[in-house]
Amino acid sequence: EAGVAQSPRYKIIEKRQSVAFWCNPISGHATLYWYQQILGQGPKLLIQFQNNGVVDDSQLPKDRFSAERLKGVDSTLKIQPAKLEDSAVYLCASSFGSTGNEKLFFGSGTQLSVL
Amino acid sequence: AQSVTQLGSHVSVSEGALVLLRCNYSSSVPPYLFWYVQYPNQGLQLLLKYTTGATLVKGINGFEAEFKKSETSFHLTKPSAHMSDAAEYFCAVSESGANSKLTFGKGITLSVRP
Repeated sequence: EAGVAQSPRYKIIEKRQSVAFWCNPISGHATLYWYQQILGQGPKLLIQFQNNGVVDDSQLPKDRFSAERLKGVDSTLKIQPAKLEDSAVYLCASSFGSTGNEKLFFGSGTQLSVL
Repeated sequence: AQSVTQLGSHVSVSEGALVLLRCNYSSSVPPYLFWYVQYPNQGLQLLLKYTTGATLVKGINGFEAEFKKSETSFHLTKPSAHMSDAAEYFCAVSESGANSKLTFGKGITLSVRP
């Protein structure tokens, strides 16, 4: 079974530039998550989709971050403009449902460096 | 609001020694508890989880954890460490219900000395 795919694997940009990350979840998984993992910290949920609807984006900095999940499958996360503090690993995960006891499957992440 | 506390950032043990990684949680309702592991250059993967029922749960690679409601703890143990156990370990909590959110602790790095 194919896992969660993410690209790119690494990205280096200058502050105020824009960047986009792509995620393809496991086939059949209705729930998709984007997490931000800053060095030395645990993953922090940015946004959670159920099919193509947003169910939680309370910690997404909406003035610069945006995300979409067209057709309830692939998802993109965009940052525009980037700040130095956005340097982190961006993790995509998916699960079959979202009842709280679900196992999340994670991609390998995109490591973003903002210079 | 739910939260997880993992005290310390690094634990070092000798190969063959007991592994004990501590996790305390805060939740307003009965929690679901998880341990995830992240090996170098890999994504996070589930080690084990507690939902309901037996409070001692067993996971992959010989790890187990015990849910203690009175102590609000979910510590991870393994009787005998192996070099391949070196990784970062994250405790996480969620609550039952639709569209539940998984909240992670800051993680603990486990080193295993030969």
